[in-house]
Amino acid sequence: DTAVSQTPKYLVTQMGNDKSIKCEQNLGHDTMYWYKQDSKKFLKIMFSYNNKELIINETVPNRFSPKSPDKAHLNLHINSLELGDSAVYFCASSQGSPNTIYFGEGSWLTVV
Amino acid sequence: AQSVTQPDIHITVSEGASLELRCNYSYGATPYLFWYVQSPGQGLQLLLKYFSGDTLVQGIKGFEAEFKRSQSSFNLRKPSVHWSDAAEYFCAVVHGSSNTGKLIFGQGTTLQVKP
Repeated sequence: DTAVSQTPKYLVTQMGNDKSIKCEQNLGHDTMYWYKQDSKKFLKIMFSYNNKELIINETVPNRFSPKSPDKAHLNLHINSLELGDSAVYFCASSQGSPNTIYFGEGSWLTVV
Repeated sequence: AQSVTQPDIHITVSEGASLELRCNYSYGATPYLFWYVQSPGQGLQLLLKYFSGDTLVQGIKGFEAEFKRSQSSFNLRKPSVHWSDAAEYFCAVVHGSSNTGKLIFGQGTTLQVKP
């Protein structure tokens, strides 16, 4: 079984649409994250949740709204998609300190 | 502010040759350091990590890295590269005391392997 799984893996959508990416981890971890990889392959954290509570919000536009229904799931909803939102979005999870952070396979989002 | 620098954007080595990928970090306290690999179209896979103790750490796929506090470096090495090692390699540091899990990544190094 995949430890951190994301769906969909590929998503092509038009500007202005609303889309969601789902993430699930079966590692029993308390903390989950969303990271964004831009077109230059630069990786940066977007959000962090610990036991369903938002811990980190890295000045991400309000159009991005994470939701954690339980500690095994962290979904990312994006409203009014813009061309600049095209990127790879990685879900990740960790447990304890120091944290070893495990990443999912990524979701390739293309906005046209 | 914490930062990670990978000075080499792109490296090409011949199959069977040795490899060293450089990573320098800027961080005041003891860092927790990681190397991840991303194969084309794939996710991020953890190669190895350093938290404390022995400064030479072994990872998967025959990789190792050495933490040198005096040089603020955490270079990744492999004695003999295989064609399947061609990928993007990322060095990262996490704020150890805050326990936020906020990884700061370097810019990445693209490894190309010549037959």
